[in-house]
Amino acid sequence: LHLVEPGGGLVQPGGSLRLSCVGSGFTFSGYWMSWVRQAPGKGLEWVANINEDGGEKYYVDSVKGRFTVSRDNAKKSLSLEMNSLRVEDTAVYYCVRGSGWYDYWGQGAQVTVSS
Amino acid sequence: DIQMTQSPSSLSASLGDRVTITCRASQGISIYLAWYQQKPGKLPNLLIYDASTLQSGVPSRFSGSGSGTDFTLTISSLQPEDVATYYCQKYDNAPRTFGQGTKVEI
Repeated sequence: LHLVEPGGGLVQPGGSLRLSCVGSGFTFSGYWMSWVRQAPGKGLEWVANINEDGGEKYYVDSVKGRFTVSRDNAKKSLSLEMNSLRVEDTAVYYCVRGSGWYDYWGQGAQVTVSS
Repeated sequence: DIQMTQSPSSLSASLGDRVTITCRASQGISIYLAWYQQKPGKLPNLLIYDASTLQSGVPSRFSGSGSGTDFTLTISSLQPEDVATYYCQKYDNAPRTFGQGTKVEI
């Protein structure tokens, strides 16, 4: 079972970035998927999750209205569209399997917001 | 939103010691709590879910207990490979908040 996250990058404050994650080795369409981030030297912060068919989505308050989670089950992919990025969004973003507990984690994508 | 508070923030113990980490929810969350271990430079690893169910492959020296607002992660005999930061996380409802972490050192 793998969760692969290509991407990440450096973006200026106010800019946009799209993260993606591709799952393999499990029935992707049968699981909620989530994003968790970790700022440098800090703890884990839950960001968003999405149900199996994409009809339910939830976000942490600090990203509501700026981030959008989506999925394409045919491509076994999960995405996080990030707009109006702030310096405090700088973190490693992990794609994780599950809605409750998280048993599989992607390797993480570094997002740096800086001028 | 429900807040998750871990204590202590850090601890130092000797090899073979029994180590206990506490996680308190600001409101009741039934048994919807997980514990993770994150070693330096590594991905988080699920240890326990539903407050007390040991994830497959996790050594039996790890155990979890509690329900409602008060939860405990116990390492029965601390080993060198247990040096890590430990996080609790609630999952009754969104947001799926994590505790701030407890750093365990030898």
